[in-house]
Amino acid sequence: GENVEQHPSTLSVQEGDSAVIKCTYSDSASNYFPWYKQELGKRPQLIIDIRSNVGEKKDQRIAVTLNKTAKHFSLHITETQPEDSAVYFCAEGGGSNYKLTFGKGTLLTVNP
Amino acid sequence: DAGVIQSPRHEVTEMGQEVTLRCKPISGHNSLFWYRQTMMRGLELLIYFNNNVPIDDSGMPEDRFSAKMPNASFSTLKIQPSEPRDSAVYFCASSFGTGYQETQYFGPGTRLLVL
Repeated sequence: GENVEQHPSTLSVQEGDSAVIKCTYSDSASNYFPWYKQELGKRPQLIIDIRSNVGEKKDQRIAVTLNKTAKHFSLHITETQPEDSAVYFCAEGGGSNYKLTFGKGTLLTVNP
Repeated sequence: DAGVIQSPRHEVTEMGQEVTLRCKPISGHNSLFWYRQTMMRGLELLIYFNNNVPIDDSGMPEDRFSAKMPNASFSTLKIQPSEPRDSAVYFCASSFGTGYQETQYFGPGTRLLVL
């Protein structure tokens, strides 16, 4: 992958609301799209990933959708809780140069 | 499993000094990655090893940076001489398999401050 655009850079929601973070990429050969969560001062940790043969994947309150035609993928968090507050990074890999490229991150704040 | 282990966790040094960061990947993992994280540039891949062999070092900033992986359980990232702009959090990550399509497990990071 060469370039990953992630939006928004900050997102503030009320507890219980949904949060959506979107990423676009440029390398049509990319086929692996993980999402990482990084709490303040901690390491990034994988929360969910999707591969190009799947359009949507869900794990409890977290879901990821992929639109390969439009070259974008999104993270959806439902029923947000204060402990969801963190920086979320999208990434894409498996493309022309086999490099996992990260987005700039989204700071999600869930207000109680 | 203890996960990916990095040392030191914090390092404060003066410009011009040599800095060595260490990483022990998860046992059984054969891919190892070094990343640098800053506010301005985000998470950047510095170098990727597979089966102890450097596969992609295109992200290494310049000759001041070097990385080695003498065996499957140990890797070092060295900066010599260090500069203030090297201040960042350096993460090591490991995965099982080849390439970038396997889950990468990150270590706790080394927070480096170069004065």
